[in-house]
Amino acid sequence: DGGITQSPKYLFRKEGQNVTLSCEQNLNHDAMYWYRQDPGQGLRLIYYSQIVNDFQKGDIAEGYSVSREKKESFPLTVTSAQKNPTAFYLCASRLRSNTEAFFGQGTRLTVV
Amino acid sequence: SQQGEEDPQALSIQEGENATMNCSYKTSINNLQWYRQNSGRGLVHLILIRSNEREKHSGRLRVTLDTSKKSSSLLITASRAADTASYFCATVSPLIQGAQKLVFGQGTRLTINP
Repeated sequence: DGGITQSPKYLFRKEGQNVTLSCEQNLNHDAMYWYRQDPGQGLRLIYYSQIVNDFQKGDIAEGYSVSREKKESFPLTVTSAQKNPTAFYLCASRLRSNTEAFFGQGTRLTVV
Repeated sequence: SQQGEEDPQALSIQEGENATMNCSYKTSINNLQWYRQNSGRGLVHLILIRSNEREKHSGRLRVTLDTSKKSSSLLITASRAADTASYFCATVSPLIQGAQKLVFGQGTRLTINP
């Protein structure tokens, strides 16, 4: 069953902690993306990657980091430098230009 | 910064009526896509229109693109209660240095009343 999987579905973080959100796809897609969504808002681009070992900052990269060591995986780390991390995080992947994106089911991160 | 801006932010209509949502963007695009999101879920792709296309249909969906005005519209005909969701447009930038941004707007929250 091909698809894109995010884990965990819910994540709780204490103040000052780093946490890593997982995103894995078995669609053989080249491009992968991370978005943040706040309640009632649109999606804001955090980081994106077109190929392995290369990624670019999106519009709100501060306080986040990523890696792309494998084509299938694009983990997002929310660092303690991110002052307001509570949000819904969505990962997506695309095969190539002029194709649609496929989304995971999201991870809801809450700071406690 | 957000590339696409949807209008209206919220729309409430009766079942059976048509729903129209608009999207405006700021820079040149490779293509424009529309997505649907049910509450608390991931997004699902609806339709993609390339920058050299003006109109596209898929079932009850009709999308138009006017690159001179940097705008697009999504029309859902004969709406159903199950169409209740948020709808987003997303623009894909031209390929620069091997990477393409996929940028979303704020979305339109559509409610279909039975």
